[in-house]
Amino acid sequence: NAGVTQTPKFQVLKTGQSMTLQCAQDMNHEYMSWYRQDPGMGLRLIHYSVGAGITDQGEVPNGYNVSRSTTEDFPLRLLSAAPSQTSVYFCASRGQSSYEQYFGPGTRLTVT
Amino acid sequence: AQKITQTQPGMFVQEKEAVTLDCTYDTSDPSYGLFWYKQPSSGEMIFLIYQGSYDQQNATEGRYSLNFQKARKSANLVISASQLGDSAMYFCAMSRGFTGNQFYFGTGTSLTVIP
Repeated sequence: NAGVTQTPKFQVLKTGQSMTLQCAQDMNHEYMSWYRQDPGMGLRLIHYSVGAGITDQGEVPNGYNVSRSTTEDFPLRLLSAAPSQTSVYFCASRGQSSYEQYFGPGTRLTVT
Repeated sequence: AQKITQTQPGMFVQEKEAVTLDCTYDTSDPSYGLFWYKQPSSGEMIFLIYQGSYDQQNATEGRYSLNFQKARKSANLVISASQLGDSAMYFCAMSRGFTGNQFYFGTGTSLTVIP
């Protein structure tokens, strides 16, 4: 049981490049979410999903796309990276009727 | 709009002493959940404790307790008998609904435990 895994751990992009941050969980959790953490600002919700095929926007969705084709995976896509997207990204999951979220180890992204 | 406020950027506590980390929240929802997470220097987010808005009693988990004052909209975390391993960032968070899909985090409090 690996919990929530994220790849890569570190990534450097140039402005305008695209990439996908991967998130997977093996706990059969319905709910998955993506957050970004910036210095002095805490975590902010980007997108979330309550099950395969169902996604919705969080507090800061602009510049990010998500899809949920399986229960296990919830990738986050940056279509055209901007320096403002430099941040640490966390993926999390929880069971439908549970309040405890399990977080992945995070991906540190730098956009130059 | 939902908002979480943590007004203590940094706190110091002597080992074995108790410490209170402040958290106030703003919401017009009748049902919500309140959470505390710990983030050590290694970066992972660790769930500590949860309180539902209709829970009458304050939540406790080992050395952690949540001092829930609904009328004041506060959800302070109390850590008893501080240990060196408690040095970390602590985040207060709120969900819309008890297990809601929208979560809001505060800016965090850095706790340093002094031997």
